[in-house]
Amino acid sequence: EAGVAQSPRYKIIEKRQSVAFWCNPISGHATLYWYQQILGQGPKLLIQFQNNGVVDDSQLPKDRFSAERLKGVDSTLKIQPAKLEDSAVYLCASTLGFGNEKLFFGSGTQLSVL
Amino acid sequence: SQQGEEDPQALSIQEGENATMNCSYKTSINNLQWYRQNSGRGLVHLILIRSNEREKHSGRLRVTLDTSKKSSSLLITASRAADTASYFCATDTGGSYIPTFGRGTSLIVHP
Repeated sequence: EAGVAQSPRYKIIEKRQSVAFWCNPISGHATLYWYQQILGQGPKLLIQFQNNGVVDDSQLPKDRFSAERLKGVDSTLKIQPAKLEDSAVYLCASTLGFGNEKLFFGSGTQLSVL
Repeated sequence: SQQGEEDPQALSIQEGENATMNCSYKTSINNLQWYRQNSGRGLVHLILIRSNEREKHSGRLRVTLDTSKKSSSLLITASRAADTASYFCATDTGGSYIPTFGRGTSLIVHP
């Protein structure tokens, strides 16, 4: 069974530039999550989708971050413009149903903003 | 804000010893999960324990949950160098079932 795919693996940009991350969840998984993990901390939820609808985006900095999940399958997370404090690992995870179960994580995208 | 907090922040042991990590949380939960993260990788699910369960086992892993104390512990028996990783607890509350992670415990197992 293929796991959660994320790309790119690493990204280095300068502040005020824009960047996009892509995630393809496990086939058939209805729920997709984007987490931000700053060095030395635990993952923090940015946004949760169920199919192609947003369930929770209360912690997404909407002035600079946006995310979409077209057709309820893969998803894109964008940052525009990036700030130094956005340097982190961006993790995508998926679950078969809606909550109450384990998350399957991708390997993440490590973003460095210079 | 983080719901769960792991303790200790760092743990260093010798191969063959047992490792115990604790997680405390603030509000009533639906489920508590433990995950492992190797350096530079994504998180891997270890065990999910529901609020009405008290103990679960998986191989060398044993998880307990004490809802009266709002705490959980993860025990790794007969640790191996390959167990070196960060371990996170994640709790979900209310109707959202969205796992909220703690800061993690960094475990180093010396061969």
